[in-house]
Amino acid sequence: QVQLVQSGAEVRMPGASVKISCKTSGYTFTSYDINWVRQAPGQGLEWMGWTNPNSNTPGFAQKFQGRLTMTRDTSIRTAYMELTDLRPDDTAVYYCARRRSPDSSSSLFWGQGTQVIVSS
Amino acid sequence: DIQVTQSPSSLSASVGDRVTITCRASQRVNTYVHWYQQQPGKAPRLLVYAGSNLESGVPSRFSGSGSGTDFTLTINSLQPEDFATYYCQQTYRAPFAFGQGTKLDI
Repeated sequence: QVQLVQSGAEVRMPGASVKISCKTSGYTFTSYDINWVRQAPGQGLEWMGWTNPNSNTPGFAQKFQGRLTMTRDTSIRTAYMELTDLRPDDTAVYYCARRRSPDSSSSLFWGQGTQVIVSS
Repeated sequence: DIQVTQSPSSLSASVGDRVTITCRASQRVNTYVHWYQQQPGKAPRLLVYAGSNLESGVPSRFSGSGSGTDFTLTINSLQPEDFATYYCQQTYRAPFAFGQGTKLDI
């Protein structure tokens, strides 16, 4: 079965960086885009960006311009999201999510979420 | 960017009720709208994709409709497990914005 397992919770100081991993199994890793979504405490879902694991071509929301990097390691079927220059309002649960199918842009399979706390 | 406006932001209902949540996109998005349910502390769950397609395993009391700019999610005969927060998302053009969410409670 399809599974996305994310790395554990992180605590960072303002200005630091965080890199979250999303280890996948149960499907052909290079055939499906991975989306990254975050949710601040008590807030709604915010789409951050997506990456195509085959071509490593990313797309991301403009607000994260210059701070967000999405990569992948196809040998271990793992996607990564790195956010730099962290601010307290980056405190959130971060999710990776796989497309429903190669031609469907909805997100069907989700990781369990990674809590990131940014605090001095 | 395409803005997505969801309403209402909260909704109170009872078991057995029928409820409708609406989602409006600021531009035409064909049927590239999807609906998710989120329980507290859990990852979102895909309910309806591409406007009106029920995801496998989702109860038939859920239905979606719409195209262009206006979309609805309808839940017939609410069950206790349906009390959650619901989000729509457009994936017609990046950034793939979510609506603000609708919290459905008893």
